[in-house]
Order: sequence, then C-alpha cells, then structure tokens
Amino acid sequence: GQNIDQPTEMTATEGAIVQINCTYQTSGFNGLFWYQQHAGEAPTFLSYNVLDGLEEKGRFSSFLSRSKGYSYLLLKELQMKDSASYLCAVNLYNQGGKLIFGQGTELSVKP
Amino acid sequence: EPEVTQTPSHQVTQMGQEVILRCVPISNHLYFYWYRQILGQKVEFLVSFYNNEISEKSEIFDDQFSVERPDGSNFTLKIRSTKLEDSAMYFCASSTTRDRGRNEQFFGPGTRLTVL
Repeated sequence: GQNIDQPTEMTATEGAIVQINCTYQTSGFNGLFWYQQHAGEAPTFLSYNVLDGLEEKGRFSSFLSRSKGYSYLLLKELQMKDSASYLCAVNLYNQGGKLIFGQGTELSVKP
Repeated sequence: EPEVTQTPSHQVTQMGQEVILRCVPISNHLYFYWYRQILGQKVEFLVSFYNNEISEKSEIFDDQFSVERPDGSNFTLKIRSTKLEDSAMYFCASSTTRDRGRNEQFFGPGTRLTVL
C-alpha cells in the first residue's frame, strides 16, 4: 500500500528555522510536493522535488532523497503567518496524476 | 493570477438527497481532480479526469459518485444519494500536465458539504 508519514505537530519560535520531515513508501513515484494549508482553506503549493537534492524558494527549501524515501521542508525566518498545516504529497506515476497526502504537520509559530 | 473557483462554498443537505458540486478549473489546464478532506483528517484523492474521461478513481469513488465536464469551463462532482459520512470539504484541483515534469495541482477554495 501507499504510506506517507509526517509528525503530527511541531512548535517553533518566530524568527527561527524549522524542518518538517516526511517519509514515504509508495509505488510509482513521480515527484513529491509540499503544500501549506491554513485551517478551513485550500492547500496552496509550496515546492516540488522529483530529483534528489535541495530546491530553494525564498524562505522555503525542500529536500528529497529517493533512495531513502525521505523529504523535508525547511522554513527559515519564521513568521507568525507561517502557523499552518504542512502537507507532504506524493504524485504516483501512471495513476492519473493522483496525489497521495500525508496527515499533515500542524506548525505553531510562537512569539 | 488565475485560480480555481468552486461553488457553493457551503452546502447543507439531507441524507439521501443528490448534490452537485461545481468547479471552474484554470482555463488552460487540461487535467482535473476532486479530493475530499473529512474534518481533522488527511486530504484524500477521489478522481482524476482528462479528455472527457475518468483517468483514475479511488475506492471512495463508488457508484454514488460521478463527474462531468458539461461545457468548456465547468467540472462537476455529483453525489447521487448522500450519506452522513459524505460530510467533508471537497476540493477541486487542476493542472497543466499530469505524469511528466512539474505538475503541481492548483486547488480551489473547497465546498464544505454537511449531510444531516
């Protein structure tokens, strides 16, 4: 079966750096996405990795190791508005573009 | 910036009734999806749609569910006879590509379906 694991919740301080990990066991890997979701709202796209390595995009970076089935999302210079759920999602190859989501990591940023 | 839109934002219905959830994907996108999220749970894939056909569907997407692209802009999800457990947030998404390359899916704001 398909399995994606993330920590349920994390807490960090404004201005700090936080790393949210994701491990996955899926068949037909075709890329990994990170989405941000505020309560009651839609997921919004943050980053995409399909090759091993680090992708940087402003305050957000995402890393992928396909051999280890592992990714992380790094958030720098945390702001209060970064308090949200962060969703790790794997795109499955040849399955109609299906995204399989993890449970999400609820990040609380405190002053 | 182009965005996916959904109507209504909130739908309340009685068990056994039919509901139609509507979505307008981003105009140059070709691949369309429905997901649902039960309160406090993860986002779950329901169905993907391309070229007027279902590409893939999950176990959740049983005979009570159907999708349609009735015209060049709308994409609908119909639930024929709603059950209490269908209560969830339903998200529509669209993308320009599917299997190759960066194929991020853009999500609409969702329709909160409440079945009484």
